Amino acid sequence: EPEVTQTPSHQVTQMGQEVILRCVPISNHLYFYWYRQILGQKVEFLVSFYNNEISEKSEIFDDQFSVERPDGSNFTLKIRSTKLEDSAMYFCASSFGANVLTFGAGSRLTVL
Amino acid sequence: KQEVTQIPAALSVPEGENLVLNCSFTDSAIYNLQWFRQDPGKGLTSLLLIQSSQREQTSGRLNASLDKSSGRSTLYIAASQPGDSATYLCAVRPYSGGGADGLTFGKGTHLIIQP
Repeated sequence: EPEVTQTPSHQVTQMGQEVILRCVPISNHLYFYWYRQILGQKVEFLVSFYNNEISEKSEIFDDQFSVERPDGSNFTLKIRSTKLEDSAMYFCASSFGANVLTFGAGSRLTVL
Repeated sequence: KQEVTQIPAALSVPEGENLVLNCSFTDSAIYNLQWFRQDPGKGLTSLLLIQSSQREQTSGRLNASLDKSSGRSTLYIAASQPGDSATYLCAVRPYSGGGADGLTFGKGTHLIIQP
């Protein structure tokens, strides 16, 4: 069964450093998303991406965040200058349309 | 702003019991509702998706219902097994129905099935 793959599974970084999280969505999907889950809290929407541009973003997705689809397969989330409060599990997801989202296993980010 | 609440927050039952997990949402203008399962430290696995025009969906031992006007959904698990132990999340997509819309999640119900 097709799956969404994410790398790295865990990244530890120092506050102020840049981090890039990578995702390979399902190949025929058209919509790509990033969500995050801070430990013990709800899964929260960050951003959606369609037709090579950001479609929707939440208030969490400020200027410190950016997304890119550098080639036909990868989808990346960049955090420019990490803060302690960016520590969370980041999930990539993809969908063909407005229906079932398929999530990756997540990338755990720890900011020290 | 849409809010999704799940009750109970945690549930522990003996193997074999039938159980019901509840989800409520404040804005009934939804496009669809999706139930997910999350195992510790893992990603989300989609279980069932109900469109706003539907009343229920079934997959194996799982049955999800939707009452959009009252802002409620339930996930019924029949003949529970230890392998069903996980956190169950409910999420709604807003009415605009565009594929780009973000889902709003509840905090989940942490389910433990005792062997």
